[in-house]
Amino acid sequence: KNEVEQSPQNLTAQEGEFITINCSYSVGISALHWLQQHPGGGIVSLFMLSSGKKKHGRLIATINIQEKHSSLHITASHPRDSAVYICAVRTSGTYKYIFGTGTRLKVLA
Amino acid sequence: DTGVSQNPRHKITKRGQNVTFRCDPISEHNRLYWYRQTLGQGPEFLTYFQNEAQLEKSRLLSDRFSAERPKGSFSTLEIQRTEQGDSAMYLCASSLTRGSYNEQFFGPGTRLTVL
Repeated sequence: KNEVEQSPQNLTAQEGEFITINCSYSVGISALHWLQQHPGGGIVSLFMLSSGKKKHGRLIATINIQEKHSSLHITASHPRDSAVYICAVRTSGTYKYIFGTGTRLKVLA
Repeated sequence: DTGVSQNPRHKITKRGQNVTFRCDPISEHNRLYWYRQTLGQGPEFLTYFQNEAQLEKSRLLSDRFSAERPKGSFSTLEIQRTEQGDSAMYLCASSLTRGSYNEQFFGPGTRLTVL
């Protein structure tokens, strides 16, 4: 079992839909990082958080440390949101990341 | 551009050849990380440096792999006697030892294809 699990693995949505991507982890962490990866490989930082909730534009990230779970929400989804969304955790006492396998999102116009 | 840069962006090589990749981190960042990503998977940790010191290496980093950061700035990752299983995207990231998050910033990656 992977230490960081994401669901769903693939998601297709219609433009305008509300989207939720989930991340569960089994290790102690000091922070969790949501990343976006486009075809070609480039990785963009979305949020880094260790508690509560963060919002940026149409994106919202929440984390529940007790339940070892985080969610990434996209409101009013748009085709340009199509990408792979990756959850990465920085484990307690280290600086390296452990990554989930990613959620491939496709938003249809 | 002040982000993390990697060169080359693409490398095609024949099995058995040696390859070397370069990563230039964000200039004031003292930590530098190498990850490997195969198709359809999330990245996997290979190694990381704090300044010029290599502090941790994954078991994935076989004796054919070596990484250096000689002056605490850019880093190189060399793969000797490449195998087809080495085909992957090699990602570099950097971070600064300050603040609670130690957020990592990623380069565009080097895609390696071993024929």
